[in-house]
Amino acid sequence: NAGVMQNPRHLVRRRGQEARLRCSPMKGHSHVYWYRQLPEEGLKFMVYLQKENIIDESGMPKERFSAEFPKEGPSILRIQQVVRGDSAAYFCASSPLRGESNQPQHFGDGTRLSIL
Amino acid sequence: GDSVTQMEGPVTLSEEAFLTINCTYTATGYPSLFWYVQYPGEGLQLLLKATKADDKGSNKGFEATYRKETTSFHLEKGSVQVSDSAVYFCGGLGFGAGKSTFGDGTTLTVKP
Repeated sequence: NAGVMQNPRHLVRRRGQEARLRCSPMKGHSHVYWYRQLPEEGLKFMVYLQKENIIDESGMPKERFSAEFPKEGPSILRIQQVVRGDSAAYFCASSPLRGESNQPQHFGDGTRLSIL
Repeated sequence: GDSVTQMEGPVTLSEEAFLTINCTYTATGYPSLFWYVQYPGEGLQLLLKATKADDKGSNKGFEATYRKETTSFHLEKGSVQVSDSAVYFCGGLGFGAGKSTFGDGTTLTVKP
C-alpha cells in the first residue's frame, strides 16, 4: 500500500506525558498537512509543511504543539504535556506539489489519541 | 477570510432517496474544491473534485458542480444506499499559500 501511513493508529497517554504522531507521505509527495478532528466536529487545519520547512502553522496551538518534516524520515506531530482536551483524531495528508490547487490531498487513516 | 461552509447535519434519508449536501465557499482566489467521505473508524477518502468553474466532479453516483456565480459545490446523488452512510466533508485547496480549508462535515445516515 503506497498510501499515506500514520502510526500509531491508537495512542493512549496520561496527562502530562508527551505524544508523538508520525506520518509518512505517499511516495513522491513532499508536502504534508496535519489536521485535528475533535469528537463530533469537523476537520481543523493545524499545520502545512514541506521538507525541512514549516509553511503555514496558523492552525497550531501556540504552546505544547510542534511539527517537523525532516529531510529523511516521517513528519512528526509532537504534543508535550498532554491534557484531556488533546483527545482527538489527528489526520495527516500529503500532496505532491507546493499548493498546487489541482492536486488533491491524500489522507492517512489517522491516529486516535486518548488522554487518561 | 477564506472559508468553506457545509449544511449542518445530521441528514437521515431512506434508501433510494435523493441526496443534496450544500457547500459554499468564500475565497479571494480560485480554489480547487473537493468532497471527501469518512466511513466509521476510517480516514478520509477523496470522493470527487473540481478544479475550475463549471467543472463537474463525479464518482460512485455522486456529483458536484463548481459554480462560481453562487460560490457553491453542492454534493448530490440521485438514489442513496445504506452503504453511503458516512460523514461527508467539503474542502478546498489553493485559498492561499497552499492552505486548505474544510467544512465541519455532514453526517449522512441512510435507512433501509
